[in-house]
Amino acid sequence: EAGVTQFPSHSVIEKGQTVTLRCDPISGHDNLYWYRRVMGKEIKFLLHFVKESKQDESGMPNNRFLAERTGGTYSTLKVQPAELEDSGVYFCASSQARGGGANVLTFGAGSRLTVL
Amino acid sequence: AQSVTQLDSQVPVFEEAPVELRCNYSSSVSVYLFWYVQYPNQGLQLLLKYLSGSTLVKGINGFEAEFNKSQTSFHLRKPSVHISDTAEYFCAVSGTGGTSYGKLTFGQGTILTVHP
Repeated sequence: EAGVTQFPSHSVIEKGQTVTLRCDPISGHDNLYWYRRVMGKEIKFLLHFVKESKQDESGMPNNRFLAERTGGTYSTLKVQPAELEDSGVYFCASSQARGGGANVLTFGAGSRLTVL
Repeated sequence: AQSVTQLDSQVPVFEEAPVELRCNYSSSVSVYLFWYVQYPNQGLQLLLKYLSGSTLVKGINGFEAEFNKSQTSFHLRKPSVHISDTAEYFCAVSGTGGTSYGKLTFGQGTILTVHP
């Protein structure tokens, strides 16, 4: 089974530019999550998709961030325009539809964003 | 609201020595508890989880953790570490109900360095 794939693995852009991060979840996983780790801080929840619908976007920092999941498959996270404080590692995770007990998330390797 | 505190940011240890990585949490609701590990250039991998039942949880690679409800702790232990255990370890919690599944609150991480 292929894991969660994210790309690019590393992106370096200048302040004010736009970057789009992509996540391909495990096939058949309805739940898709984005998390972010800013340097020296803890990993923080950004948002949660169930199929193509946003279930919870309470962690999105501001309206410069736009996440989409058209067709309920892969997801993109666009940052426009990027600011210095957006630098960090963006993780994507996926899980199957909820059954009994907790959903175990499978994480991707992350996309490192550096804004200069 | 939930919070997680990992009491040590870095833990150096010699090979074959025992190790304990400490994690305390705060929550007004019931929680599930997790430990994840991130090896260099890889994604987060689940080590173990506590959902209910026995408070001693065994995970992969010889790790175990004990849930202590009265002390709100979930410390991770291994009786004898290997060089390959060098990684960053994250403690995380999630709520147990509603739409909170998969929405993890992470600690700041503990870097475990195993020396020969």
